[in-house]
Amino acid sequence: NAGVTQTPKFQVLKTGQSMTLQCAQDMNHEYMSWYRQDPGMGLRLIHYSVGAGITDQGEVPNGYNVSRSTTEDFPLRLLSAAPSQTSVYFCASVSPGQGGYEQYFGPGTRLTVT
Amino acid sequence: KQEVTQIPAALSVPEGENLVLNCSFTDSAIYNLQWFRQDPGKGLTSLLLIQSSQREQTSGRLNASLDKSSGRSTLYIAASQPGDSATYLCAVGGDKLSFGAGTTVTVRA
Repeated sequence: NAGVTQTPKFQVLKTGQSMTLQCAQDMNHEYMSWYRQDPGMGLRLIHYSVGAGITDQGEVPNGYNVSRSTTEDFPLRLLSAAPSQTSVYFCASVSPGQGGYEQYFGPGTRLTVT
Repeated sequence: KQEVTQIPAALSVPEGENLVLNCSFTDSAIYNLQWFRQDPGKGLTSLLLIQSSQREQTSGRLNASLDKSSGRSTLYIAASQPGDSATYLCAVGGDKLSFGAGTTVTVRA
């Protein structure tokens, strides 16, 4: 099992460019999420999905779009990058069960917008 | 809106000392609480998951307690080692998490 994979690991964008951050999981989890991590702050939820075709907004959704066409993949799209979107982005896959909702995180994508 | 606070923000201890990391949250209506470890430039590694009905969880040198009524959790790391140096994050919720800003721990050899 690869767990949760994210690509790319690093990316530099110019203001106004668009890009897609990729996230994939091989654990057959229905729940997936995107978070961003900024210095001195905890991770903040951008978007999440409870299954293929179902997505919803988190705490900081502005400037980001998501879609979920398969259980495995949950891409995050930046439509017009802004310097405020410079951050580290983490994708998570969630395993619900009797033991609680255990979250598994990918290695992250470090994005710089100039 | 759930607010999660971790105190202290940074901690430096000599090797062998026990570590005590604190986490507090404002809304006690949580499904579970999860402690993570993050090494510099890396992702998050899950350490312990405590369900809201549980009081504590243990794994090796790690023990985490949960007092949902007072909105507090404590992570204890016994006999610290230099390899324990990392940032420790507390997160509460269920399928969606609210995170604290973390406690950065340095264990001096």
